[in-house]
Amino acid sequence: EPEVTQTPSHQVTQMGQEVILRCVPISNHLYFYWYRQILGQKVEFLVSFYNNEISEKSEIFDDQFSVERPDGSNFTLKIRSTKLEDSAMYFCASSEALSFSFGAGTRLSVL
Amino acid sequence: AQTVTQSQPEMSVQEAETVTLSCTYDTSESNYYLFWYKQPPSRQMILVIRQEAYKQQNATENRFSVNFQKAAKSFSLKISDSQLGDTAMYFCAFKTSGSRLTFGEGTQLTVNP
Repeated sequence: EPEVTQTPSHQVTQMGQEVILRCVPISNHLYFYWYRQILGQKVEFLVSFYNNEISEKSEIFDDQFSVERPDGSNFTLKIRSTKLEDSAMYFCASSEALSFSFGAGTRLSVL
Repeated sequence: AQTVTQSQPEMSVQEAETVTLSCTYDTSESNYYLFWYKQPPSRQMILVIRQEAYKQQNATENRFSVNFQKAAKSFSLKISDSQLGDTAMYFCAFKTSGSRLTFGEGTQLTVNP
């Protein structure tokens, strides 16, 4: 069964550094998403992407964040200058109609 | 805006017993989808069950079933014959076609031996 893959599984970075989280959505899905979950808290929506552009974003998704689909398979989330409060689990997801699939997540630790 | 509310932060159940997790939602949409996701300690999001709002019949998946009350905007999850492996955080979620998934706050379920 096709699945969403995310790399790396764990990323450790210094505050102020840039990080790029990578995702390969399911190939026939058209909608892509990034979600964030701070430890012990709910899963929060960051951004959705459709037809090569952002279709919706939350108030969390400020100018420090950006998304890109650099080729036909990858979907990336970039955080330009990481803060301590960016430490969280980041989930990529893709969907088509009712099918909605999550990746295993990238644990980001900002020191 | 759509909201999803899970009023039970924590629940516990004895192995082999039945437990019901509550979820309510608010929307002005008529066509939407509801989901329950399980998040074990590995933190992966695992789909447990989903329900299309236009279907009157409650969804079931083996030991998992839902009680979908559209008029009351309620979507509870029943777990029968609870197993130790069911211990996890459970999230209720809501989606309309082409939109994002909106999650509730989660319910931490512990199954005791």
